[in-house]
Amino acid sequence: DADVTQTPRNRITKTGKRIMLECSQTKGHDRMYWYRQDPGLGLRLIYYSFDVKDINKGEISDGYSVSRQAQAKFSLSLESAIPNQTALYFCATSAAGQGDTEAFFGQGTRLTVV
Amino acid sequence: KQEVTQIPAALSVPEGENLVLNCSFTDSAIYNLQWFRQDPGKGLTSLLLIQSSQREQTSGRLNASLDKSSGRSTLYIAASQPGDSATYLCAVLNSNYQLIWGAGTKLIIKP
Repeated sequence: DADVTQTPRNRITKTGKRIMLECSQTKGHDRMYWYRQDPGLGLRLIYYSFDVKDINKGEISDGYSVSRQAQAKFSLSLESAIPNQTALYFCATSAAGQGDTEAFFGQGTRLTVV
Repeated sequence: KQEVTQIPAALSVPEGENLVLNCSFTDSAIYNLQWFRQDPGKGLTSLLLIQSSQREQTSGRLNASLDKSSGRSTLYIAASQPGDSATYLCAVLNSNYQLIWGAGTKLIIKP
């Protein structure tokens, strides 16, 4: 089983619908992140969490919300999906620390908003 | 604001060649720099992590260097193979523990 699991892997939804992307990890890491990737661009940070009670906005949080249900689970919601939220979404985890903290990624969720 | 740039955006070389991918960043206040590989339709695989106090890291045919003062890193791939074809991404971990990403270099190794 993968260390970081994202569900669903692919999703097509209609404009205005609410959708939730889920991420779970077995690494035992405190830090979890949600990114989106658009063609020709690097990954951009949406939200991140350093423990269950900690939620922080990233570079592009508008239109998104998150929930850290447990150390192992971090969900991303699109409250009212719009077409420009069509992208590849990645969840990542890392251990607490500084220079030696490696990031581990899920397989990604390809979201299409029509 | 930290910005990460990767040059070139795409590269196509014959099998067997040695090649260098470049990554530059604007703020030297980083904890580490990481190189990742991304295959089409798949997730990201970590290749090498260089801590800010280190100069280079090696794994097999891959060697990554870091010059923090000049804001540059290179990923050297020796004796390239068709299986090396992928997009290579670099990212720096900033002082807020956020990874800031380059847009990637798409590498094609021709048999």
